[in-house]
Amino acid sequence: SQTIHQWPATLVQPVGSPLSLECTVEGTSNPNLYWYRQAAGRGLQLLFYSVGIGQISSEVPQNLSASRPQDRQFILSSKKLLLSDSGFYLCAWTSADNSPLHFGNGTRLTVT
Amino acid sequence: QQQVKQSPQSLIVQKGGISIINCAYENTAFDYFPWYQQFPGKGPALLIAIRPDVSEKKEGRFTISFNKSAKQFSLHIMDSQPGDSATYFCAASIENTGFQKLVFGTGTRLSGQS
Repeated sequence: SQTIHQWPATLVQPVGSPLSLECTVEGTSNPNLYWYRQAAGRGLQLLFYSVGIGQISSEVPQNLSASRPQDRQFILSSKKLLLSDSGFYLCAWTSADNSPLHFGNGTRLTVT
Repeated sequence: QQQVKQSPQSLIVQKGGISIINCAYENTAFDYFPWYQQFPGKGPALLIAIRPDVSEKKEGRFTISFNKSAKQFSLHIMDSQPGDSATYFCAASIENTGFQKLVFGTGTRLSGQS
């Protein structure tokens, strides 16, 4: 069966520090991968999605970037964190034939 | 046009009662409407989904009602249990081969009272 791993679960980082969040999917090949951010009272906002290695689409302009160095690995990064980057970050995947969206358990990021 | 409006923001339900959460959309191209359930500290999990070719879909105690002309859909939770306490999100997307861009509502926090 397919599983999605996301780490770390929580992270506290100072303003101006770099960020790297990692997500991996097991049990499937060529998944579509997504990064969402969840803010209180604002639902889930799609940040990036990827349909293949090296293929990244950005949904909103922001201080973050994403990369997909391997088929089942998706990384969310920032060179310099802002206070407004605090939130709950969720990685998700669908199969290439557009199965339902499955989420990881998220990373709670607090920028201080 | 890409928004999905969800109400209420929060809901308290007695054990055994019925919970109803409503969502409305504008984009008539949307053709896939899932509901997700999220427990604290966890990622959302797919609960039930509907496509506009049917007006209702039932899975156990959970039912989606869909009104295409009104551009509205709702989640009904029958015989509410303490374990149903969670945040519920509606969503909508245009199904596409290749990827799925879900637009989410802002969520409804459901609290159960025994």
